[in-house]
Amino acid sequence: QQQVKQSPQSLIVQKGGISIINCAYENTAFDYFPWYQQFPGKGPALLIAIRPDVSEKKEGRFTISFNKSAKQFSLHIMDSQPGDSATYFCVAGGTSYGKLTFGQGTILTVHP
Amino acid sequence: DAGVIQSPRHEVTEMGQEVTLRCKLISGHNSLFWYRQTMMRGLELLIYFNNNVPIDDSGMPEDRFSAKMPNASFSTLKIQPSEPRDSAVYFCASSWTMQETQYFGPGTRLLVL
Repeated sequence: QQQVKQSPQSLIVQKGGISIINCAYENTAFDYFPWYQQFPGKGPALLIAIRPDVSEKKEGRFTISFNKSAKQFSLHIMDSQPGDSATYFCVAGGTSYGKLTFGQGTILTVHP
Repeated sequence: DAGVIQSPRHEVTEMGQEVTLRCKLISGHNSLFWYRQTMMRGLELLIYFNNNVPIDDSGMPEDRFSAKMPNASFSTLKIQPSEPRDSAVYFCASSWTMQETQYFGPGTRLLVL
């Protein structure tokens, strides 16, 4: 049972554009929503995370928007750069859930 | 501080052979996760441990796969016998607790011919 659904599977953006990746979850026990970034040949690494007590979190060019009632959250990358080209995973977890659940991943390509 | 260490980084073997993948956790971490990544299936959680105890192995594809934590800082994932469909990148990750940030190793790229 896939509990975190991520879209799109792939995304192509021009340099300077905005990249948007969306995720939806099912389990209301989730209370921790990180995003992981994976470069080719490397393991995934934590990029930014949010908890449901806030609706938005921003770190530099990266912003998470969270909609608890809709059980959706999204990653926005402003002023996208070629160096942002990577696979992005939305993830859900919780203090009572026991482990992190990864989405299927979005391959982002930023053209110069 | 050293991150998660995996060995070997690359493994090429023939169908039917035994394969052992190794992982060293970050010092002080109590949880250990094994993942498999392929283009077709994405990132799959195979098994995870907490305080050396296996918590959930429902992601292990079949009995040919086994994982152990002989001590608090080390884990192995064994495939016996290996098959071509096992070809993938295998990651281990560790964290302070099961629910917190996972730190991934560089992965082992396995090719079974």
